[in-house]
Amino acid sequence: GDSVTQTEGLVTLTKGLPVMLNCTYQTTYSPFLFWYVQHLNEAPKLLLKSSTDNKRTEHQGFYATLHKSSSSFHLQKSSVQLSDSALYFCALRVGGTYQRFGTGTKLQVVP
Amino acid sequence: GPKVLQIPSHQIIDMGQMVTLNCDPVSNHLYFYWYKQILGQQMEFLVNFYNGKVMEKSKLFKDQFSVERPDGSYFTLKIQPTALEDSAVYFCASSLDWANYAEQFFGPGTRLTVL
Repeated sequence: GDSVTQTEGLVTLTKGLPVMLNCTYQTTYSPFLFWYVQHLNEAPKLLLKSSTDNKRTEHQGFYATLHKSSSSFHLQKSSVQLSDSALYFCALRVGGTYQRFGTGTKLQVVP
Repeated sequence: GPKVLQIPSHQIIDMGQMVTLNCDPVSNHLYFYWYKQILGQQMEFLVNFYNGKVMEKSKLFKDQFSVERPDGSYFTLKIQPTALEDSAVYFCASSLDWANYAEQFFGPGTRLTVL
């Protein structure tokens, strides 16, 4: 069935370093991929979305490229800040059905 | 930006009791959703709702669950009776349309603890 996999549960990085959070998916349909960010005690918010193969999408310094050949939509940032500490969810939507979420990756940025 | 509100933020009840979780969606949105997140696990879809009807539900949406939005007021999730495994954070979301690309706006969640 359709699914999303996020392999890292927790990523701890020093401020200023680059980050990549992994997201892979499985589907036989044409995928829509999303990244959500959830800060502590706040609602999840949409960060990025894409359905276009090999096109980079960017928002608030974060970027991701959907690669259908490898079924991936990894989230990247060139220099993380303390305020980026949050929970990041990757989600998949196909065929007008509901979103399927990954297990989430907690990003912890330290000084 | 648009905000979805959820009331209450926390709810503790005894197993077997009824509970109603309330969601105040974005004012002009037409599609509403409930998700369930057990601690440490992923957020999972429960149900979506449009024009007074359930459009789609997952296998997690048990017979004890029901949703409604009477007269454009709160979008509610009712669980009757509750079970221990219903303990989770429940997120409400809303969107303007149903397209795959449509952004869903989430509320901050209601933490339900069933004792």
